[in-house]
Amino acid sequence: EVQLLESGGGLVQPGGSLRLSCATSGFSFSRYAMSWVRQAPGKGLEWVSAISGSGDSTYYADSVKGRFTISRDNSKNTLNLQMNSLRAEDTALYYCAKDRGNGGGSVFDIWGQGTMVTVSS
Amino acid sequence: DIVMTQSPDSLAVSLGERATINCKSSQSVLSRSNNKNYLAWYQQKPGQPPKLLVYWASARESGVPDRFSSSGSRTDFTLTISSLQAEDVAVYYCQQYYSIPWTFGQGTKVEIK
Repeated sequence: EVQLLESGGGLVQPGGSLRLSCATSGFSFSRYAMSWVRQAPGKGLEWVSAISGSGDSTYYADSVKGRFTISRDNSKNTLNLQMNSLRAEDTALYYCAKDRGNGGGSVFDIWGQGTMVTVSS
Repeated sequence: DIVMTQSPDSLAVSLGERATINCKSSQSVLSRSNNKNYLAWYQQKPGQPPKLLVYWASARESGVPDRFSSSGSRTDFTLTISSLQAEDVAVYYCQQYYSIPWTFGQGTKVEIK
């Protein structure tokens, strides 16, 4: 069974940092691009960042570019998101999502349950 | 960025009746190279992560009931639930994956009338 399990969320002050992780199992991790998608409380979905299967290519939404860094460890089947200079507007449930791998852009066929990040003083 | 706009924001449908959700993109998501529309639909039930329903605008994901269908091309797309069931109560999102940043519609909440 394919599983994604996020961790690392919590309460952080504005300007602070947090590192999210997503432990995966049940599929050939290195073969698939992965993304982080967030959802602010009561709001819709916002794609945050993506990384290719090899880790060579990374992509970011303008709202997080320069502050967030996505990475992966294919030996540990783990996806990470380093979040620096956090702002109140980064408060959201952060989902780890697997790319379906059907070519082209990212369609997300498997999602984790999410980890909550709250940025507040 | 491609802006995705869904309509309506919410709708209430009687059990067994048809529900129709529209999604419009600010620019075409049809690729000339492979003649495919880079458009997906997701269902999100309360307290759960989104679930992929449709990709390539009309390809149903494995395990998705055939009462869910999707159509459209270029900038205009429709998700139809042919006979609404109680378990279909959810928020539905369209997403374009034609160009980065991948973007979602604002969501359409489907309820039982």
